[in-house]
Amino acid sequence: GAVVSQHPSRVICKSGTSVKIECRSLDFQATTMFWYRQFPKQSLMLMATSNEGSKATYEQGVEKDKFLINHASLTLSTLTVTSAHPEDSSFYICSARKIGTGGTEAFFGQGTRLTVV
Amino acid sequence: AQSVTQLGSHVSVSEGALVLLRCNYSSSVPPYLFWYVQYPNQGLQLLLKYTSAATLVKGINGFEAEFKKSETSFHLTKPSAHMSDAAEYFCAVSDRDQGGKLIFGQGTELSVKP
Repeated sequence: GAVVSQHPSRVICKSGTSVKIECRSLDFQATTMFWYRQFPKQSLMLMATSNEGSKATYEQGVEKDKFLINHASLTLSTLTVTSAHPEDSSFYICSARKIGTGGTEAFFGQGTRLTVV
Repeated sequence: AQSVTQLGSHVSVSEGALVLLRCNYSSSVPPYLFWYVQYPNQGLQLLLKYTSAATLVKGINGFEAEFKKSETSFHLTKPSAHMSDAAEYFCAVSDRDQGGKLIFGQGTELSVKP
């Protein structure tokens, strides 16, 4: 299989604090991972592309200093929401592209529900 | 830039009826196309994908989709709806040279009436 695990699945934090979300590919290696954000009753919006060993590529309008992405290994990418505010509350989902699949598919984690109070 | 449009944010069918969820993409070059299903507060599950010559793609749970280049469409169908099919469905597209990087449609919420 191709399993992607996100942790935590839910997190509540106080305004002004930082939160780290982990995305792990459990049974395959992924040079590329993607981070999406989903507001209630809305679609998924691509935030950034995370490449192992290099800087992430952010989509237009996404603040790179606020959403820090680190992809230190072939199985782990992290998203840190810095100085979180209530408007950052959202559902964050990662996906990982499996090496050797020709890039036709990425596998999704189960998502992280972030609530900033 | 790639884009995908799902017609109808909400579709309601009766149990046993045909399910048809519409998706159109914008691209001069046939991209990769995907349908995903999402249940509340969960991640995405891949239903099916189009990546090559076979224009009629069969997926899981009895779903299938047909790629029609002339119509730039990739509509999702299921002959007979089941109550468990009630969920949010997303059509997504990626360029062939950017596999895995998905642009999603707005989503269609499918309701199934008993």
